[in-house]
Amino acid sequence: GIQVEQSPPDLILQEGANSTLRCNFSDSVNNLQWFHQNPWGQLINLFYIPSGTKQNGRLSATTVATERYSLLYISSSQTTDSGVYFCAVERYTNAGKSTFGDGTTLTVKP
Amino acid sequence: DVKVTQSSRYLVKRTGEKVFLECVQDMDHENMFWYRQDPGLGLRLIYFSYDVKMKEKGDIPEGYSVSREKKERFSLILESASTNQTSMYLCASSLRRLRGEFNYGYTFGSGTRLTVV
Repeated sequence: GIQVEQSPPDLILQEGANSTLRCNFSDSVNNLQWFHQNPWGQLINLFYIPSGTKQNGRLSATTVATERYSLLYISSSQTTDSGVYFCAVERYTNAGKSTFGDGTTLTVKP
Repeated sequence: DVKVTQSSRYLVKRTGEKVFLECVQDMDHENMFWYRQDPGLGLRLIYFSYDVKMKEKGDIPEGYSVSREKKERFSLILESASTNQTSMYLCASSLRRLRGEFNYGYTFGSGTRLTVV
C-alpha cells in the first residue's frame, strides 16, 4: 500500500514563530487532507488539498502532486496550535479510504 | 454545530461483552468510517461504508463488525470485547467522490475512549 511519511516527528516552537510541516507520499494520490488533533483528541480538518495552494488565516498548505509531497505552513504560531498534525492521502482506487501518516507533534511555548 | 456525534466519550466494558459504538452524522454524507488510534500505531481503518447496507473491510477488521441501516448512522460492533481492543475509536464521514469542486474532506467525531477490563 501507499506509504505516507511526515516530518519532523516533533517540533517545539516559541509563540510567534513560523513553521513548515512536510508530508511525503510514495505513489500518486487523488486526495490529500491535513488535520489537527487537539490535546482532547478531536481531529479537525484543516485542508482538503489534492493539488495547489490554499490559505485559511495563519495556516496555508501546498500540494505538489507530481512530486508527491505536501507542505503545511503555520505562521505566527499560538499556544492553541499545539497538538498533532496529520496528513492523509487517498489513492483513486480506494474509493474514499485514506491512509494517515504518523503525524507531527507540535508544541508551542508561551 | 455538532455534525458527527459519537454516542459515548468514555466507555468501560468487561472482557467477552458485546459492545456497540454508535456514530451519527447530519451532513447527508455517503461515506462513513471507523478508525482506531493507538500510541505508536497511528490511525488505522477498521471498516468503512459508502452507502446504506454497504460495508468494506479496512486494514484491521478482525474482531469487529459494522452495521449501516440508515444513511446517517454507522455502528461499530465488538462481538466479544478483548483487552487488546482498548483504544480510542474515531468515526468520520465524507461525501462520496463526484464531479465538480466539492470538498471531500473528512469530518470526525470527538472519539470514544474504550477500556476493556
